[in-house]
Amino acid sequence: AQSVTQLDSQVPVFEEAPVELRCNYSSSVSVYLFWYVQYPNQGLQLLLKYLSGSTLVKGINGFEAEFNKSQTSFHLRKPSVHISDTAEYFCAVSTTGGSYIPTFGRGTSLIVHP
Amino acid sequence: GAVVSQHPSRVICKSGTSVKIECRSLDFQATTMFWYRQFPKQSLMLMATSNEGSKATYEQGVEKDKFLINHASLTLSTLTVTSAHPEDSSFYICSARGGSSYNSPLHFGNGTRLTVT
Repeated sequence: AQSVTQLDSQVPVFEEAPVELRCNYSSSVSVYLFWYVQYPNQGLQLLLKYLSGSTLVKGINGFEAEFNKSQTSFHLRKPSVHISDTAEYFCAVSTTGGSYIPTFGRGTSLIVHP
Repeated sequence: GAVVSQHPSRVICKSGTSVKIECRSLDFQATTMFWYRQFPKQSLMLMATSNEGSKATYEQGVEKDKFLINHASLTLSTLTVTSAHPEDSSFYICSARGGSSYNSPLHFGNGTRLTVT
């Protein structure tokens, strides 16, 4: 079975500063990796995904993530955040076989201060 | 893009009553839909997988008689919380995937906030 660990429950940052949200996973087989964003009282929206190929993945809203197989990590980054980026961010992993149902991490609350 | 509509967005009901939540895929056919429950400041907990035309597959620990799931068509799945109690109060989110391909990410509804008084 796979699992996801999001090391930070909350990340406060000032507007226009860079940010990194950490995600580590555990799996005995190859994985697919996803980052989702959730705004208050809403569902989840896909930010980006890694399926194969280039380990640096670019997503929407200026976010990117890098897949590091040796460190089993998939950290999310943005070089300059905006107030509107304040939200809950979830890392998810699914295995390359079976039903492809993703397992979600506990989430990281990104709080952008003016 | 693919849109999943979930209704209602908020519902308040009295203890002992039943509540139905609808999840519709508006511009694509969803052979599989997933129902999640989310507790405050926590991750999504998969409750069940809903397959069109067949019985839902429930995760361990989820009472199938309490959380009734019906996936009667390729665009609609419903979750009915029967005999609701205050501990059932939560945020319920549905998601849908058009096919079984790993290239198809999940598309989420906007969730339903259920409050049982």
